[in-house]
Amino acid sequence: AQTVTQSQPEMSVQEAETVTLSCTYDTSESNYYLFWYKQPPSRQMILVIRQEAYKQQNATENRFSVNFQKAAKSFSLKISDSQLGDTAMYFCAFMKHVASGGSNYKLTFGKGTLLTVNP
Amino acid sequence: SQTIHQWPATLVQPVGSPLSLECTVEGTSNPNLYWYRQAAGRGLQLLFYSVGIGQISSEVPQNLSASRPQDRQFILSSKKLLLSDSGFYLCAWKWFGNTIYFGEGSWLTVV
Repeated sequence: AQTVTQSQPEMSVQEAETVTLSCTYDTSESNYYLFWYKQPPSRQMILVIRQEAYKQQNATENRFSVNFQKAAKSFSLKISDSQLGDTAMYFCAFMKHVASGGSNYKLTFGKGTLLTVNP
Repeated sequence: SQTIHQWPATLVQPVGSPLSLECTVEGTSNPNLYWYRQAAGRGLQLLFYSVGIGQISSEVPQNLSASRPQDRQFILSSKKLLLSDSGFYLCAWKWFGNTIYFGEGSWLTVV
């Protein structure tokens, strides 16, 4: 079974600074996808960024970028120019393809990192 | 564009009462649908997923069940709620592409 580990339960950063959230995972799969989701106080789960395992290039989305190290099974999220609205719980998630009588994919989540951006 | 709605947003139910949470996806056909639960201070746990009408797979044994009576409708039910069923429930969907998107969530408090 796949496991996702986020070793930082809580982090804080000053507004406009950069912060990196860590994530490691364990899998024997070679084809998979990795995600960072953000859960603000509203509790809605919002996709931040996605990385396909077969791509060597690290994904970027505006102020958000990842450092994907496939051999080390590491997938960290860097937030640049942190904003107050970035305050949220951040979840790292792993998805592999599961074929069971039909095409399907399932997400496995880490326990999350609570990020607080201070003014 | 695709959207997902789930309701009710908040629910307070006594122990032993039934439960029905509903989720509907718009703007897509034959999506994969999921129910996740998030207990306090913990990550998300996959409860059920469905690849088509009437096709339900359960991830963990529990007091809950799921049904998919229509292509874009996914229902989470219980005949008799337990205190341990309290939590935040999220419906999610996947269509083409390799990303799962989530609804707004439903808070269930069993008292």
